[in-house]
Amino acid sequence: AQSVSQHNHHVILSEAASLELGCNYSYGGTVNLFWYVQYPGQHLQLLLKYFSGDPLVKGIKGFEAEFIKSKFSFNLRKPSVQWSDTAEYFCAVTGGNKLTFGTGTQLKVEL
Amino acid sequence: DAGVTQSPTHLIKTRGQQVTLRCSPKSGHDTVSWYQQALGQGPQFIFQYYEEEERQRGNFPDRFSGHQFPNYSSELNVNALLLGDSALYLCASSLRTGTGQPQHFGDGTRLSIL
Repeated sequence: AQSVSQHNHHVILSEAASLELGCNYSYGGTVNLFWYVQYPGQHLQLLLKYFSGDPLVKGIKGFEAEFIKSKFSFNLRKPSVQWSDTAEYFCAVTGGNKLTFGTGTQLKVEL
Repeated sequence: DAGVTQSPTHLIKTRGQQVTLRCSPKSGHDTVSWYQQALGQGPQFIFQYYEEEERQRGNFPDRFSGHQFPNYSSELNVNALLLGDSALYLCASSLRTGTGQPQHFGDGTRLSIL
């Protein structure tokens, strides 16, 4: 069975601070990995995805994530956060059909 | 614009009632998945429909059923509602089941059970 663990449930940062959100997954086969973001009052949106190839993937709005197979991790990073990055972030894994999500990380960026 | 549209936006029901939620996928998508998101949790997979058939199912009881129509739109039906069914129900669409392609989500239907 596939599972996803997000260790940071609530994160508060000041603008311009660097961000790293942890994500570890469990899955026995080839996985596709995703980060989704949910801004207040909006639907889930895809930030970035990893299917294969370069383990460092870049997404929208300056976000990137690194797939480390040996650690079963897919951490999300951003060098300098903005107030508009305040949102809930979900890591997800799929082996084909269903997406399995983590519990999410609520990020608050303060001015 | 999400591309995936869900109706209704909000719904209030009482225990024991039945409910039907509707979803129209993003243009060009043929696969629809349903998720339940309880407060403070990540979305939980209910089931996925492709070619009008249920392709995979999560750990949800038979009270949860669905349907996909020839135009790829889908319905989620929940019978004998329980208080614990109160949640945000999300529909997601994608292209071709089994490929791991990104799923696009709708705004969800907020279901409250009294």
